[in-house]
Amino acid sequence: LAKTTQPISMDSYEGQEVNITCSHNNIATNDYITWYQQFPSQGPRFIIQGYKTKVTNEVASLFIPADRKSSTLSLPRVSLSDTAVYYCLVGDSNSGYALNFGKGTSLLVTP
Amino acid sequence: GAVVSQHPSWVICKSGTSVKIECRSLDFQATTMFWYRQFPKQSLMLMATSNEGSKATYEQGVEKDKFLINHASLTLSTLTVTSAHPEDSSFYICSARDIRGDQPQHFGDGTRLSIL
Repeated sequence: LAKTTQPISMDSYEGQEVNITCSHNNIATNDYITWYQQFPSQGPRFIIQGYKTKVTNEVASLFIPADRKSSTLSLPRVSLSDTAVYYCLVGDSNSGYALNFGKGTSLLVTP
Repeated sequence: GAVVSQHPSWVICKSGTSVKIECRSLDFQATTMFWYRQFPKQSLMLMATSNEGSKATYEQGVEKDKFLINHASLTLSTLTVTSAHPEDSSFYICSARDIRGDQPQHFGDGTRLSIL
């Protein structure tokens, strides 16, 4: 399974755009990149998933370069409620294998 | 969106008792469910993979006789912590993989287990 590396923590002010980059040098051909958000004492919540180029939904964008060895989660105009841990995971969504969580990025948004 | 329900959300019990945690996929069928454990300030650690109608696959270091997993239907998996001790106190989270395969995994809201 591909290993992922993310910054341990990030700080931001309300209203700013936050970009969290994840490195996954050993990503396999069938692997998708998925980001989850976790608040304390809650299960992870799906944010976005992509395979290549750019994916956008109502809450975030995911940028994946051509070599797919990294990806960047972009959160536009963060609010205090975006303070959470963000996990980048790499895996084959069509396989029966679990997602292995790294340490994640703890994002703190302040006024 | 897809919902995974976990019950109970928290439980406190005495050392030596057994505790059952349920994980249900509410609006999709799941051939595979996963059980994780999370200690404070740490990431999720995979405990076992549960496949409908077959035995669970446990990660190294996880005692299969202590953490009994049953996945009797496409929408329900249960984790039973047998003869629980204080060191089993943790946050247990399940996730489910949609039978259609091309969907992201969805997670329950976790169960806070405290053993006195």
